[in-house]
Amino acid sequence: GAGVSQSPSNKVTEKGKDVELRCDPISGHTALYWYRQSLGQGLEFLIYFQGNSAPDKSGLPSDRFSAERTGGSVSTLTIQRTQQEDSAVYLCASTPDPTGLYGYTFGSGTRLTVV
Amino acid sequence: EDQVTQSPEALRLQEGESSSLNCSYTVSGLRGLFWYRQDPGKGPEFLFTLYSAGEEKEKERLKATLTKKESFLHITAPKPEDSATYLCAGYAGGTSYGKLTFGQGTILTVHP
Repeated sequence: GAGVSQSPSNKVTEKGKDVELRCDPISGHTALYWYRQSLGQGLEFLIYFQGNSAPDKSGLPSDRFSAERTGGSVSTLTIQRTQQEDSAVYLCASTPDPTGLYGYTFGSGTRLTVV
Repeated sequence: EDQVTQSPEALRLQEGESSSLNCSYTVSGLRGLFWYRQDPGKGPEFLFTLYSAGEEKEKERLKATLTKKESFLHITAPKPEDSATYLCAGYAGGTSYGKLTFGQGTILTVHP
């Protein structure tokens, strides 16, 4: 597609439920990143994919968070047993260059609210 | 630990009133310093990458500069459509795999 697409755009879930967030990157972009943006805080790195593998998962906050990427394209971020502190905007970005030096293209994000 | 700090947190300008936003960084072996613009409800939009001290880049009313410790985003004669949050980020290279360390952003409001 022309841009990075994320779905859903908004998600309200009850505490303890599992959620899946989807990212469809720009076609041909091999590198894909997930970041989290909480109110009043900067963007926080979660995970990086190169193709289908994830060389850097260091930003995942706990084992409740997992992510996968299939076919070198679509990625899914899964949060199990959601907690209120998981409420944030989850942003996906892709780039054709794994150094990121040419800039990411971000999606519009998924706003997750845990009630 | 890599760190990026932006100031001020918020800046209000009158249309045509030029100013600068600051980004201080401590990023080991900095390979790139990025500026992004973020509009409400949208993801950040890439503006510039600066690679080395002394480098400058321009785009319309925006000019970004880089020193060994900080970067500035100069806004000349801003217009209301320049209102947005401006984010600065550093890239350490090596095994960072393109991972960026972001500052908290400066919220710019330009009044007509």
